[in-house]
Amino acid sequence: KAGVTQTPRYLIKTRGQQVTLSCSPISGHRSVSWYQQTPGQGLQFLFEYFSETQRNKGNFPGRFSGRQFSNSRSEMNVSTLELGDSALYLCASSPWGSYNSPLHFGNGTRLTVT
Amino acid sequence: AQKVTQAQTEISVVEKEDVTLDCVYETRDTTYYLFWYKQPPSGELVFLIRRNSFDEQNEISGRYSWNFQKSTSSFNFTITASQVVDSAVYFCALTPGSNYQLIWGAGTKLIIKP
Repeated sequence: KAGVTQTPRYLIKTRGQQVTLSCSPISGHRSVSWYQQTPGQGLQFLFEYFSETQRNKGNFPGRFSGRQFSNSRSEMNVSTLELGDSALYLCASSPWGSYNSPLHFGNGTRLTVT
Repeated sequence: AQKVTQAQTEISVVEKEDVTLDCVYETRDTTYYLFWYKQPPSGELVFLIRRNSFDEQNEISGRYSWNFQKSTSSFNFTITASQVVDSAVYFCALTPGSNYQLIWGAGTKLIIKP
């Protein structure tokens, strides 16, 4: 089975721009969750989607949004980028959800905002 | 408060030594899940173990073992006869039953020297 695929691997954007990150989950997995990882704040939960519905959301501003498609692929969008948004963004999939299931992670997208 | 504390920022040992990574959690919930994940230098988080709040049995998997003690709110991880390949950042995480959001510890960087 193919693992979780995140594209692109690296992105460099300018402050004020917007960016879209993509995540393809493991086949058959209906839950996709997103996490931000920075040296200062560590790993933080962004949101979780299950069957195209946002099931849970972390404490991030509205500039961070996401969606899930009928094939379970997910995208995350960040608008009006700020320098502090520079981070590794990780996507994870699981069959039923992040509450009690082991998560399968992608390699992440490293976003640099200049 | 819901929180996971990994007090050890970095541990360095010589190969074949045993090493224990500490994890202390806080939650008001009676139902919750605890996890350990490993993040090697490649960046991809790898699931190691899951434990629910009603199962205090210790677990052993090869050189890895976990000690879950509700009385001290701890879920410690021991690697026996460490190997260089064990070098990674290890994260402990908690999913409280009240909000289903995965809460991460800050991680412990483990360095195994040959």
